[in-house]
Amino acid sequence: AQSVTQLGSHVSVSEGALVLLRCNYSSSVPPYLFWYVQYPNQGLQLLLKYTTGATLVKGINGFEAEFKKSETSFHLTKPSAHMSDAAEYFCAVRKINAGNMLTFGGGTRLMVKP
Amino acid sequence: DAMVIQNPRYQVTQFGKPVTLSCSQTLNHNVMYWYQQKSSQAPKLLFHYYDKDFNNEADTPDNFQSRRPNTSFCFLDIRSPGLGDAAMYLCATSRDGSYGYTFGSGTRLTVV
Repeated sequence: AQSVTQLGSHVSVSEGALVLLRCNYSSSVPPYLFWYVQYPNQGLQLLLKYTTGATLVKGINGFEAEFKKSETSFHLTKPSAHMSDAAEYFCAVRKINAGNMLTFGGGTRLMVKP
Repeated sequence: DAMVIQNPRYQVTQFGKPVTLSCSQTLNHNVMYWYQQKSSQAPKLLFHYYDKDFNNEADTPDNFQSRRPNTSFCFLDIRSPGLGDAAMYLCATSRDGSYGYTFGSGTRLTVV
């Protein structure tokens, strides 16, 4: 069974500081990996995804993530936080043996201090 | 723009009174999903349609049903809402063989 763990349910950074949101997965084979962002009372918006190829993936709003097979990780980073980045972030993996199902991590709420 | 639209955005229903949430898509995606998301939690898959085939998650209560009359529309029916069913309900779509989902904006359900 695949699972996704996001370390830290809440992360607080100052505006302009580095953002690092952690995600680890457990899977017998490398899955497809995703990061979604959710603003209050909104649906989920895809930030970026890793399927195959280059392990450093760039997404929208200046975010990027690196797939590290040896560490079973897919951490999300942004060099400089902006106030508008405050939101809930979800890491997800695609279930390999159950069609196209996504399994979500527990989410990390990012707070940005002025 | 092609998108996934959920109506209404906010729904208030009475305890025990049936309620229907709707989702429509202009993406022509063949897979549609319903997720329940409670406060400060990850979305939880309730069921999905792969074309016309309905797939229920094992732990989805019988109180929750779904209909997909055509490719574009999918409905979530809650037969007898309880206070514990208050949540954000998210509809999502994907194309067979693609990797990501497109989500609607969600319907926030309040049960009074």
